[in-house]
Amino acid sequence: GDSVTQMEGPVTLSEEAFLTINCTYTATGYPSLFWYVQYPGEGLQLLLKATKADDKGSNKGFEATYRKETTSFHLEKGSVQVSDSAVYFCALSDRWSGGGSNYKLTFGKGTLLTVNP
Amino acid sequence: NAGVTQTPKFQVLKTGQSMTLQCAQDMNHNSMYWYRQDPGMGLRLIYYSASEGTTDKGEVPNGYNVSRLNKREFSLRLESAAPSQTSVYFCASSEPTGRHGYTFGSGTRLTVV
Repeated sequence: GDSVTQMEGPVTLSEEAFLTINCTYTATGYPSLFWYVQYPGEGLQLLLKATKADDKGSNKGFEATYRKETTSFHLEKGSVQVSDSAVYFCALSDRWSGGGSNYKLTFGKGTLLTVNP
Repeated sequence: NAGVTQTPKFQVLKTGQSMTLQCAQDMNHNSMYWYRQDPGMGLRLIYYSASEGTTDKGEVPNGYNVSRLNKREFSLRLESAAPSQTSVYFCASSEPTGRHGYTFGSGTRLTVV
């Protein structure tokens, strides 16, 4: 079945440091890939997405490139801010094996990022 | 604002009590989902509904039932709550393939004592 593996946290950085959160996936089909962000006490917000190989998703200074050859979708940001402190989830959308033409979203376990001033 | 609305935001139940978590979306999405979030486990799919009138089990359906009341509303019911169901529950919606991402509600924090 589908799975997503992302680097375990917590990750603690100083403001303006470079961020990388690794994510690799296993999928039977041709999934879309996502990064979601969850701020304390809130729901998940879509941060960026890529729907096919070599696509680069970007938003708010964050970037991730869909690498089919390495089955990876690593999240990067050149200069983090205190306001980026949150939990980041890598996810993929693929056909649900038990549901015919239905699709489901599979999540990694999340990475807690703390940015200190 | 368009989105997914969940009620209640917080709930404390005693073991054996029942309750229904409500979810409504105004995105005109066909697909809706219920996830639970537990520390160190990420989000796990409980049930989903690909369209009005259909529901299917996800990864962790035991102890739950769902109803897709209409296109907008998808409720999750706990018939006899257990401490293992203490979690944060999220409802989400999407277009059928999910290729453009899911829209999540703000969650219901449930504690079963």
